Amino acid sequence: DAKTTQPPSMDCAEGRAANLPCNHSTISGNEYVYWYRQIHSQGPQYIIHGLKNNETNEMASLIITEDRKSSTLILPHATLRDTAVYYCIVRVVDNTGKLIFGQGTTLQVKP
Amino acid sequence: KAGVTQTPRYLIKTRGQQVTLSCSPISGHRSVSWYQQTPGQGLQFLFEYFSETQRNKGNFPGRFSGRQFSNSRSEMNVSTLELGDSALYLCASSVTGEAYEQYFGPGTRLTVT
Repeated sequence: DAKTTQPPSMDCAEGRAANLPCNHSTISGNEYVYWYRQIHSQGPQYIIHGLKNNETNEMASLIITEDRKSSTLILPHATLRDTAVYYCIVRVVDNTGKLIFGQGTTLQVKP
Repeated sequence: KAGVTQTPRYLIKTRGQQVTLSCSPISGHRSVSWYQQTPGQGLQFLFEYFSETQRNKGNFPGRFSGRQFSNSRSEMNVSTLELGDSALYLCASSVTGEAYEQYFGPGTRLTVT
């Protein structure tokens, strides 16, 4: 699985968009980008994933660059409840439950 | 639909003892994965069980073991506990193991003294 690099921490004002970057320059053609988050003292929660096209769901949007070497998770209107550690994971679709978590980005949403 | 449940939620053990943690997956889910989370090492994959068979294993010593029952419930066991085993142990369940469908439980906080 490709290695990912994320900034250790970021701040965002409540109500503003939070843009969380992830570098994955060694990503392979068959590897997807997944985002999870972990709110303090809870288990991680799946947010969104994509291969090469931009994706959007009710929680967030995922923008993947054309060369697929980086991506950005966008929380359009961050709330205090979005304060969490956000993990970017790159892996193939192989029906195995193994997720390799990096250190993630701690997002602090401030009032 | 009930979520993933883990028992107990908190546990205190002494060095040298052994411990068994339990995970009940979401109904219909056949894959259960276990993770250890510590401040120093972050979230680390322990192993995954699918249909009662270990399908993946992380880089942990043999003191860490697990099993899965026919109803998909899973247990993990740590023998000869060390202080460094103090951690939050999380399990995740999914239908097939796909990364986008994994649901995590609240975890078991193990403290080894």
